Amino acid sequence: DAKTTQPNSMESNEEEPVHLPCNHSTISGTDYIHWYRQLPSQGPEYVIHGLTSNVNNRMASLAIAEDRKSSTLILHRATLRDAAVYYCIRYNFNKFYFGSGTKLNVKP
Amino acid sequence: DAGVIQSPRHEVTEMGQEVTLRCKPISGHDYLFWYRQTMMRGLELLIYFNNNVPIDDSGMPEDRFSAKMPNASFSTLKIQPSEPRDSAVYFCASSHPPSDSPLHFGNGTRLTVT
Repeated sequence: DAKTTQPNSMESNEEEPVHLPCNHSTISGTDYIHWYRQLPSQGPEYVIHGLTSNVNNRMASLAIAEDRKSSTLILHRATLRDAAVYYCIRYNFNKFYFGSGTKLNVKP
Repeated sequence: DAGVIQSPRHEVTEMGQEVTLRCKPISGHDYLFWYRQTMMRGLELLIYFNNNVPIDDSGMPEDRFSAKMPNASFSTLKIQPSEPRDSAVYFCASSHPPSDSPLHFGNGTRLTVT
């Protein structure tokens, strides 16, 4: 099973950090972990990806557990524009398998 | 960079009609993916191409669906005949070798079959 497990929804206050968890317990050694987000009426948008080490970019940080069975997407300061569905994806043999994602609600 | 371009944005058709969805990937990307999104099933991978060659079509629901990529800058997804259960948003995405580079999605085609 190439899918991942995420909470259905989470809520955050504006300007506060958000930690979005993901479990991928059957991940293999060469699978990358990707995160995408989808705003209403748009296609999914790339956020960040990694293999083993923690990663940072202008949008977010990705913390990957040492055993690689889980990861956490960190939005350092949530804004109203960050309200979206966030997908944690395990890349496997040229395929990206999307789970059901976490719907993030950001309160002003 | 214009991004991945899909057309039309919306398509409404009657059951039994042929529907063709179009996609122009980002120039230089050699992988192209077609996804379908519904409330019930989420985002499903239908088929993907590498260098214009279909590599895996195991997600194509049935023979009514077909996809082609005649050249590096154009792909089509055809449904013939269409059925109401085909109503969904269809996304096209492209990338370089996707293991270590992101997918770039178009804004999708919302298909309604009545």
